[in-house]
Amino acid sequence: EADIYQTPRYLVIGTGKKITLECSQTMGHDKMYWYQQDPGMELHLIHYSYGVNSTEKGDLSSESTVSRIRTEHFPLTLESARPSHTSQYLCASRGTGSYGYTFGSGTRLTVV
Amino acid sequence: GIQVEQSPPDLILQEGANSTLRCNFSDSVNNLQWFHQNPWGQLINLFYIPSGTKQNGRLSATTVATERYSLLYISSSQTTDSGVYFCAVGVSARNTGKLIFGQGTTLQVKP
Repeated sequence: EADIYQTPRYLVIGTGKKITLECSQTMGHDKMYWYQQDPGMELHLIHYSYGVNSTEKGDLSSESTVSRIRTEHFPLTLESARPSHTSQYLCASRGTGSYGYTFGSGTRLTVV
Repeated sequence: GIQVEQSPPDLILQEGANSTLRCNFSDSVNNLQWFHQNPWGQLINLFYIPSGTKQNGRLSATTVATERYSLLYISSSQTTDSGVYFCAVGVSARNTGKLIFGQGTTLQVKP
């Protein structure tokens, strides 16, 4: 079954640690996105990619970085986590010529 | 940038009731989506509807692009309809697929 997978589902980590949030999709979609969502709030785009080796920053400034070396994989990295990074991170994808979006289940990150 | 406003912010219904959720946007858009986020945080794409009307079971949506609003109708609501409904719009001429989300309408359906 085609889907989009995010790991870990929950992560509690200490300040200053480096973390990578994983996102993989099996649909061959060229466009992928990372959104950040605080509890009870709207989603904000922090990164997106048109395809392999293409990444751009979104509308909300973020200290995270992303890479797109393979079509199916779009990991997000925080070099030094801080409490202000505590949030939910949602990954999504969309295929060329498609109007629909598929979202992963999200990673709930807590930095203590 | 474009503003997206949803109303009402919160809605409580008895099972079986109907409801209408509204999304206003401040500029022309080439992409408008409705999403449902369930209580476990999973987002499901309900409709792509930059203009016109679509129906899918008990849900339907209408967008009047010239007046910059969209409506989501839920008929015969069920407890599984509970969650947050988001409207999201896109304005990119490059078809990037970037979306700007509204603040959402939180719906609670009581049995």
